[in-house]
Amino acid sequence: KQEVTQIPAALSVPEGENLVLNCSFTDSAIYNLQWFRQDPGKGLTSLLLIQSSQREQTSGRLNASLDKSSGRSTLYIAASQPGDSATYLCAVQSSGANSKLTFGKGITLSVRP
Amino acid sequence: GAGVSQSPSNKVTEKGKDVELRCDPISGHTALYWYRQSLGQGLEFLIYFQGNSAPDKSGLPSDRFSAERTGGSVSTLTIQRTQQEDSAVYLCASSGAKLNYEQYFGPGTRLTVT
Repeated sequence: KQEVTQIPAALSVPEGENLVLNCSFTDSAIYNLQWFRQDPGKGLTSLLLIQSSQREQTSGRLNASLDKSSGRSTLYIAASQPGDSATYLCAVQSSGANSKLTFGKGITLSVRP
Repeated sequence: GAGVSQSPSNKVTEKGKDVELRCDPISGHTALYWYRQSLGQGLEFLIYFQGNSAPDKSGLPSDRFSAERTGGSVSTLTIQRTQQEDSAVYLCASSGAKLNYEQYFGPGTRLTVT
């Protein structure tokens, strides 16, 4: 059974800091890994999708890496801003029959002005 | 084009009542997923539809939960005899035919059982 872990559960940083959010998963048989952002009371916003054959993806100030063999992914946020404050969820799509997403419990990020 | 839509956005119901939640996937997407996000459990898979195949119901928490997908498009998630522990945000996602395609999420339905 796939398990996804995100530690720590919460993080507070000053504005301008570069930061790394970590995600680990137990089963390397995956199609892809996806990072989402969720603002309080809102739905999921997809940030980056990394296919299992890829090592990283970049979008603006965000860079996500994937090491499938070790079961790890990181989301790097450069020059953090107060608007980056949100919960960041990592999800893996297992290469099983239903290709469901298994989510971590998320990291709640607070960027202090 | 239009994304995944869900209705209602919020639903408050009394314990013991039945509720229906609706999902309209992206046009042309053959795969449809329901997930539930609750405070204690995080985001969990409920059920998966792919084309005309029998749905994968392995994530449904009890037999009070059921889902249909009519005409390979719109889906309805039904919860019978609602309980307080059913309070959660119910999210729907759709994707293309291949298993590794990205899933696109709707805004969710927030269900509160009083």
